[in-house]
Amino acid sequence: EIVLTQSPATLSLSPGERATLSCRASQSVSSYLAWYQQRPGQAPRLLIYDASNRATGIPARFSGSGSGTDFTLTVSSLEPEDFAVYYCQQHSNWPPITFGQGTRLEIK
Amino acid sequence: EVQLLDSGGGLVQPGGSLRLSCAASGFTFSSYAMSWVRQAPGKGLEWVSGISGSGGSTYYADSVKGRFTISRDNSKNTLYLQMNSLTAEDTALYFCAKNPRARSGGYFDYWGQGTLVTVSS
Repeated sequence: EIVLTQSPATLSLSPGERATLSCRASQSVSSYLAWYQQRPGQAPRLLIYDASNRATGIPARFSGSGSGTDFTLTVSSLEPEDFAVYYCQQHSNWPPITFGQGTRLEIK
Repeated sequence: EVQLLDSGGGLVQPGGSLRLSCAASGFTFSSYAMSWVRQAPGKGLEWVSGISGSGGSTYYADSVKGRFTISRDNSKNTLYLQMNSLTAEDTALYFCAKNPRARSGGYFDYWGQGTLVTVSS
């Protein structure tokens, strides 16, 4: 089973700042990595697929990069609605499909 | 517009059974694989099970294998999860999620709102 480790667990920033979230895989997942945003009380929403492709309707301030074992989600300038929990997910070697434990992005 | 409506959750005793449903609309249901993903209270996401668009291939997490059965009725545009021998560790919000293609695996481009399963005596 591929383990995904996200860091940091919590990130405290202010609106307008740049956020950088990390996801590291226990073995290579090539580019088969996705990122999701989950706001309180809501279902997850797909942000990025195949490591760097923005999903439909996702603002350009969200970007993904990386391949192999190290991946990054960047939010270039935080908006108030961006404060949420973010998960990475791999689908390279499955079953099982696995998720990271999440990074909570909170307002400083 | 793609819509996924999860239902069937509730309170069940340990050892009991429950069947979840996910009614899909806004897309050609049979052309896409589907999955169930759960989230225990205050915890992260856990993939539970997946099924191909035709229903011919099914996959399970080890934690539910032998107890849960995923199925779909493409004539009714509905996904199911039959859950047996439930334990407290199965308590979670269960989401159905759509894959972007007929073959299972991959990421999830649309999610239902979730249905809560609570296993308790």
